[in-house]
Amino acid sequence: QVQLQESGPGLVKPSETLSLTCTVSGGSISSYYWSWIRQSPGKGLEWIGYIYYSGNTKYNPSLKSRVTISVDTSKNQFSLKLSSVTAADTAVYYCARENRFFVAFDIWGQGTLVTVSS
Amino acid sequence: EIVLTQSPGTLSLSPGERATLSCRASQNVSSSYLAWYQQKPGQAPRLLIYGASNRATGIPDRFSGSGSGTDFTLSISRLEPEDFAVYYCQQYGSSLTWTFGQGTKVEIK
Repeated sequence: QVQLQESGPGLVKPSETLSLTCTVSGGSISSYYWSWIRQSPGKGLEWIGYIYYSGNTKYNPSLKSRVTISVDTSKNQFSLKLSSVTAADTAVYYCARENRFFVAFDIWGQGTLVTVSS
Repeated sequence: EIVLTQSPGTLSLSPGERATLSCRASQNVSSSYLAWYQQKPGQAPRLLIYGASNRATGIPDRFSGSGSGTDFTLSISRLEPEDFAVYYCQQYGSSLTWTFGQGTKVEIK
């Protein structure tokens, strides 16, 4: 079955760029939309943005100026870059598959905690 | 942007009791685009309900969803010990973006 795994640094300095990668295993990245979602400690879920395997993207308007999501179909991976981070960006970051038939996120990675601190 | 407001914030119930969780949208939401998730501590959310009332694969039939327009409900008919968790509603909007409610925690009374 399809599994997702986030990877990347767990600590990022303020004003720097957070970079994470999600590896899709057990299935192809093609023909699906893929999202990044985050959850600040003790808080709710915030959608960051999505990418289609073809490269089309859509971002949360509140983060749009700082977010870039890209895809590498040859590696079955998609990535997140969030620039100019502050402590407010400290969160567990999840990657997830959008199932457009269900119109919901049906597969999630386990999540990775990213702390923004000097 | 559509805002989803969940109530109550916390629901304290005993195993075997019925849980009723509310999700209210600031504007009409297509029923096709309303989903519910369960999240346990230290875990990723798990899809429970899609299309407002359709159970995802492997979800027990004690979970049910209903509603339309701006008011949606997740019901758990008889709470099992593993059902104590946080539940989120989510919608996919006309602006092609996703939003979540703030969550309802179902805790053991």
